[in-house]
Amino acid sequence: KNEVEQSPQNLTAQEGEFITINCSYSVGISALHWLQQHPGGGIVSLFMLSSGKKKHGRLIATINIQEKHSSLHITASHPRDSAVYICAVFFSGNTPLVFGKGTRLSVIA
Amino acid sequence: EPEVTQTPSHQVTQMGQEVILRCVPISNHLYFYWYRQILGQKVEFLVSFYNNEISEKSEIFDDQFSVERPDGSNFTLKIRSTKLEDSAMYFCASSADRAPSPLHFGNGTRLTVT
Repeated sequence: KNEVEQSPQNLTAQEGEFITINCSYSVGISALHWLQQHPGGGIVSLFMLSSGKKKHGRLIATINIQEKHSSLHITASHPRDSAVYICAVFFSGNTPLVFGKGTRLSVIA
Repeated sequence: EPEVTQTPSHQVTQMGQEVILRCVPISNHLYFYWYRQILGQKVEFLVSFYNNEISEKSEIFDDQFSVERPDGSNFTLKIRSTKLEDSAMYFCASSADRAPSPLHFGNGTRLTVT
């Protein structure tokens, strides 16, 4: 069964902390999205990756295909990073995007 | 930067009524999607659309639902005879290429069925 698991479910951090959010999936994939959902509900795509590592500003996403695992890192976290971060996966075989339940991040000043 | 726009941002309707949720995808995108997120739950795929026809749909997307690209810019989701359990946030997304391809999401329409 195609499943996406995220951890932790909730995360509270102090401003400036380094944050890691994890995503694991059950079978082979063709690509993985990291998404940010704002408190108002809108979704923004942060990264799509299928191997290695991508960086944009203070955000870094890595993926290990052999271990079926991806991480999203936020360096020097800020209260404006508070949001729900969602891992979503294109499983192999051209299947629709499958979403994890999300990690709710709160960064406190 | 081009955006996917959705209207309305919030719609309240009575059970049994028909609603149409509207989306304007990014202009040069060819692949269009609708997703649903019931409050407190994960986002779920409803339907994908390419070349003026449905390319894939989930079990959720039953005869109550339909999609249309009426005029080359809008992409609509129609829900006939709404039920209480249709209350959710509905997201439209588009991409330039077939999956896997970066998706661009709209801000969603919050549908409340009373």
